[in-house]
Amino acid sequence: AQRVTQPEKLLSVFKGAPVELKCNYSYSGSPELFWYVQYSRQRLQLLLRHISRESIKGFTADLNKGETSFHLKKPFAQEEDSAMYYCALSGGGTSYGKLTFGQGTILTVHP
Amino acid sequence: DGGITQSPKYLFRKEGQNVTLSCEQNLNHDAMYWYRQDPGQGLRLIYYSQIVNDFQKGDIAEGYSVSREKKESFPLTVTSAQKNPTAFYLCASSIFGSGSNEQFFGPGTRLTVL
Repeated sequence: AQRVTQPEKLLSVFKGAPVELKCNYSYSGSPELFWYVQYSRQRLQLLLRHISRESIKGFTADLNKGETSFHLKKPFAQEEDSAMYYCALSGGGTSYGKLTFGQGTILTVHP
Repeated sequence: DGGITQSPKYLFRKEGQNVTLSCEQNLNHDAMYWYRQDPGQGLRLIYYSQIVNDFQKGDIAEGYSVSREKKESFPLTVTSAQKNPTAFYLCASSIFGSGSNEQFFGPGTRLTVL
């Protein structure tokens, strides 16, 4: 079974501070990992995925297979980063195409 | 803005009534999904469909039903058998078999049972 855990429901930082949103997963094969973001009054949208190894809006995430983690990081948080963040996993086989989401982390960046 | 539409935005239902939520996409995506979003529980998969006229149960399918008669449409019916239907419902779609599992989401429908 595949499982995604985001241990922090709420995370508060001040503008300019570094931020790290934690994500741990459980999956026996090679997963595809994503971070989705939901800003206030907007629809859920993809932020980044591990296979593209991109930096989007200053965020990066590295897949650590040894620790089964996919933490989202940004060195200097901005107020506009305040949102709900979901980590998600897609497996293979019969699970192909299905996403398993974590519980979500609400990030608040204070001025 | 997306290409996935959901209607209505808000829906109120009396206990014991069935209600159908609409989801339409013009992205020519093969796969469509229904999720339920509850505070502190993330998104949970209700049903998904990878091709027209076929669909599969997700993790919390009890009390829900779907149909996929057209590629563009994937309506969700919340039946009276669903014990706790008040929630925010999200529809999504993706290109199945593309090598990427990125899903695109609709704006959601908030269902309240009175």
